[in-house]
Amino acid sequence: DTEVTQTPKHLVMGMTNKKSLKCEQHMGHRAMYWYKQKAKKPPELMFVYSYEKLSINESVPSRFSPECPNSSLLNLHLHALQPEDSALYLCASSLGRRGGSTDRTNTEAFFGQGTRLTVV
Amino acid sequence: AQKITQTQPGMFVQEKEAVTLDCTYDTSDQSYGLFWYKQPSSGEMIFLIYQGSYDEQNATEGRYSLNFQKARKSANLVISASQLGDSAMYFCAGPSARQLTFGSGTQLTVLP
Repeated sequence: DTEVTQTPKHLVMGMTNKKSLKCEQHMGHRAMYWYKQKAKKPPELMFVYSYEKLSINESVPSRFSPECPNSSLLNLHLHALQPEDSALYLCASSLGRRGGSTDRTNTEAFFGQGTRLTVV
Repeated sequence: AQKITQTQPGMFVQEKEAVTLDCTYDTSDQSYGLFWYKQPSSGEMIFLIYQGSYDEQNATEGRYSLNFQKARKSANLVISASQLGDSAMYFCAGPSARQLTFGSGTQLTVLP
């Protein structure tokens, strides 16, 4: 199984709603990532979890709250979002092995299909 | 940190022809990797090909090959025999999953 599964695929929410995005992988990866991607732009890193601990937060507003309940699951809790937060949210995972190896197994990120979020 | 530059916002190619998408990178690391991803309009990020900095041969995966010139810090993607289904956004990225930086992307359109 080399899949990263994201749910839902599409989400429309109001600015006062609370919703969550879910990401799941069963490849034994210990690093998981959230990216935000606006139309016609490259993905931008939001959060990195390594061994279920938050290791990188790229100055993301607190209305985005990540959670990693176990090594297979990553959530992104959304609250009081703004229309400019509308974007494609991509989850990814990687082996997460520390060290300098440049072999593909050690360095490749596997991406989910994304959640298209619209804030109205 | 690594910087990735893609200088072709859009490219057109005739079906069955070959096309080269440019990517240059800037890093002070000795050990790194470079990835190419394809992103169709559906949004999924599809892995195409990978080149490690210590790999002596250029990577190939089916119709995709990577023209890796380490001294020039370039890692261009070559797609041979283009197909209509190759129309998509293409991203160059590196150096590894833990520090993945993307270029700005190239929108490839394959013409019938």
